[in-house]
Amino acid sequence: GAVVSQHPSWVICKSGTSVKIECRSLDFQATTMFWYRQFPKQSLMLMATSNEGSKATYEQGVEKDKFLINHASLTLSTLTVTSAHPEDSSFYICSAPGWGLDEQFFGPGTRLTVL
Amino acid sequence: AQKVTQAQTEISVVEKEDVTLDCVYETRDTTYYLFWYKQPPSGELVFLIRRNSFDEQNEISGRYSWNFQKSTSSFNFTITASQVVDSAVYFCALSEDTGRRALTFGSGTRLQVQP
Repeated sequence: GAVVSQHPSWVICKSGTSVKIECRSLDFQATTMFWYRQFPKQSLMLMATSNEGSKATYEQGVEKDKFLINHASLTLSTLTVTSAHPEDSSFYICSAPGWGLDEQFFGPGTRLTVL
Repeated sequence: AQKVTQAQTEISVVEKEDVTLDCVYETRDTTYYLFWYKQPPSGELVFLIRRNSFDEQNEISGRYSWNFQKSTSSFNFTITASQVVDSAVYFCALSEDTGRRALTFGSGTRLQVQP
């Protein structure tokens, strides 16, 4: 099946720094990708929809200036957490729809810890 | 708005017991897709099944079975003869219109299978 990768798989950074997370569709093109956030022992919550060639769509309550999304190509979307703070520590997961009506492929996730 | 409810926060069973994980959903769409995912401690989501709203046939895959009932808006998941390796968090999710849209996840059920 189709594969979605994420890099890095984990990252630890200091408060105030920016962190970039990459999401790649390895063997298919994705004009749309989704970014989810999962806090410890909680569910996955959609943060934003990344669209190739246009601006991302953010869910209510998600600061677009803090979570910058760039869908640079048909196989790559990046999420940059700017001026990260400890409360941004979370598990970030991306997904991309496949070609079928019911296909969704998830990346393995990136665990962000902000000290 | 769509919603997925997993009322069981945590379930603990002894190996070889059968266990059913409940999932109730809400949606205004007549076309939608339902999913189940397993999330082991590593965090990576493991796809288990997807079902579209027009296919109410129950499905069995090895020790796993799913019961989809539109009349009660439920999509329950049963593990027969549970094993320690089944220990994980299980998420039920819903996608409206097509399965290529972002998913709305339930809060998850943590299953612990004791030896």
